[in-house]
Amino acid sequence: GAVVSQHPSWVICKSGTSVKIECRSLDFQATTMFWYRQFPKQSLMLMATSNEGSKATYEQGVEKDKFLINHASLTLSTLTVTSAHPEDSSFYICSARIRGAGELFFGEGSRLTVL
Amino acid sequence: DAKTTQPPSMDCAEGRAANLPCNHSTISGNEYVYWYRQIHSQGPQYIIHGLKNNETNEMASLIITEDRKSSTLILPHATLRDTAVYYCIVRVATAAGNKLTFGGGTRVLVKP
Repeated sequence: GAVVSQHPSWVICKSGTSVKIECRSLDFQATTMFWYRQFPKQSLMLMATSNEGSKATYEQGVEKDKFLINHASLTLSTLTVTSAHPEDSSFYICSARIRGAGELFFGEGSRLTVL
Repeated sequence: DAKTTQPPSMDCAEGRAANLPCNHSTISGNEYVYWYRQIHSQGPQYIIHGLKNNETNEMASLIITEDRKSSTLILPHATLRDTAVYYCIVRVATAAGNKLTFGGGTRVLVKP
């Protein structure tokens, strides 16, 4: 299947700093990518939809100024957690859809720990 | 997207078939049934999807009832590596409505 790669796979940062997570589609072009967050023993929660060349669409309750999303090319979307706090510690997962196809492919996830 | 209902957990024996049920009684005519699984600390993995016909691939089979209100994912010969959380999702496979909304899923434990 198609490959979606995330980097870094894990990151530890101090409270108040910003962290950027990259999501790349390695062997296909993705006009749309999705960002999810998952807390321990919970299901995935959709945060936002990232569209290449336009502003992201955020789900209700997700702060767009806190979670900055940029989708500058057909193979790269980035999620920046600004002024991170311990409650932002979570598993962040991106997914991407092959243009014209139905199924979504997911990255390996990025585990963020804010001290 | 239509809501789905899955049992929270189930055990199955290694080497036996695992049958995972999913109810989606409010599914509409243009919504597909998708199955994904998530192994611990990894991103979800696509398994299979279908509209109304039964589907089979190298990983699993998907049986959808005639009224489309429920479906069953079948892992024909479960292995220990199939231990994961399995998510049943229904959604419209169009460019606009492509986001996946995850429910609680079924936590499957394959035992030796």
